[in-house]
Amino acid sequence: AQTVTQSQPEMSVQEAETVTLSCTYDTSESNYYLFWYKQPPSRQMILVIRQEAYKQQNATENRFSVNFQKAAKSFSLKISDSQLGDTAMYFCAFMNRDDKIIFGKGTRLHILP
Amino acid sequence: DSGVTQTPKHLITATGQRVTLRCSPRSGDLSVYWYQQSLDQGLQFLIQYYNGEERAKGNILERFSAQQFPDLHSELNLSSLELGDSALYFCASSGRDPNRGGYTFGSGTRLTVV
Repeated sequence: AQTVTQSQPEMSVQEAETVTLSCTYDTSESNYYLFWYKQPPSRQMILVIRQEAYKQQNATENRFSVNFQKAAKSFSLKISDSQLGDTAMYFCAFMNRDDKIIFGKGTRLHILP
Repeated sequence: DSGVTQTPKHLITATGQRVTLRCSPRSGDLSVYWYQQSLDQGLQFLIQYYNGEERAKGNILERFSAQQFPDLHSELNLSSLELGDSALYFCASSGRDPNRGGYTFGSGTRLTVV
């Protein structure tokens, strides 16, 4: 069974700093998709970034980028120039050909003024 | 607005009661997924429907059931409610090729069982 592990339950960084959230996953599949979702205090689930496993190039969305290491089954999220609005719970997620998304337990990120 | 509509936003009910949560997927999306998120927990997959048919089942209790109607909206029925069923219930939808976009989530229904 696929699993997603986020080893950092909680992190705090100063505004404008760069922070990296870690995620590892386990699968025997070769084709799959990885996502980072953000859940701010409003509890809305917001897709931050996605990565297709067959693409070697790391995905980037403005200040958000990933470091995808397929062999190591690692998928970390880097937030550059962090802003107060980035304060949220961040979930790493995995989806294979069965279309079901499996979420990690989340990392609670605090951006400090 | 994500395009996925969930109603009601909040629901307070007593133990032993039955409730129905409703979800309208984003226009054109055929797949609907239900997730449960208990306080400060991750999201637990409950069930998936694709174009009216059940496609995958997760850790959904026997007291819970769901269906997707011809107009693609979905309902999650929770019966014989217990205090532990208090949670945020999310609906999400995806398009014909769900692998490409991931899910789009609704804003959730917060269920409180007292």
